[in-house]
Amino acid sequence: DTGVSQDPRHKITKRGQNVTFRCDPISEHNRLYWYRQTLGQGPEFLTYFQNEAQLEKSRLLSDRFSAERPKGSFSTLEIQRTEQGDSAMYLCASSPQSGSSYEQYFGPGTRLTVT
Amino acid sequence: DQQVKQNSPSLSVQEGRISILNCDYTNSMFDYFLWYKKYPAEGPTFLISISSIKDKNEDGRFTVFLNKSAKHLSLHIVPSQPGDSAVYFCAARRSDKLIFGTGTRLQVFP
Repeated sequence: DTGVSQDPRHKITKRGQNVTFRCDPISEHNRLYWYRQTLGQGPEFLTYFQNEAQLEKSRLLSDRFSAERPKGSFSTLEIQRTEQGDSAMYLCASSPQSGSSYEQYFGPGTRLTVT
Repeated sequence: DQQVKQNSPSLSVQEGRISILNCDYTNSMFDYFLWYKKYPAEGPTFLISISSIKDKNEDGRFTVFLNKSAKHLSLHIVPSQPGDSAVYFCAARRSDKLIFGTGTRLQVFP
């Protein structure tokens, strides 16, 4: 299977703890995106990378959130001092950099529950 | 501000009939529109897309229509099958990121 993979699939943590999620994109894709989805809503953009460069961050991404893609391959999303409002599905997507290809391919997501 | 809207939270269609899912948008700067399908506990799966310079794109049972003057797009599924039962998201692209609607839950019954 050469799709986007995410780990872990589920994470339960206590308020105040730090969590880190990992995303492995499709191997030939150099763009990687993070989205967050809450119940009854569509995915909301958080940030994206082209290779190792973080090109844009949403205002949704508070300073407790940090994302990295150190070698332009996998990416990590860390949330420090988690709050109950952080409970959501965190989705990763990747796409090739191409003037004619705009589709983003999503992984299965990491469901975070903050108790 | 909700730039991409799916005003119907749910739709129920008989197997073999046409399913029509609708989406409205407010930002004329969107240059590409996409439809995704989502099953529970899975990530969204890309279905079909359309450039803002086109008015129709077809792929098998799926056709997307774009009406730029009305800022409206629709996804037609013909014929509908029980396996099409899922949540469908409309998304619009601007500046390399996607803005999603809230989704429409499609149920196809026998």
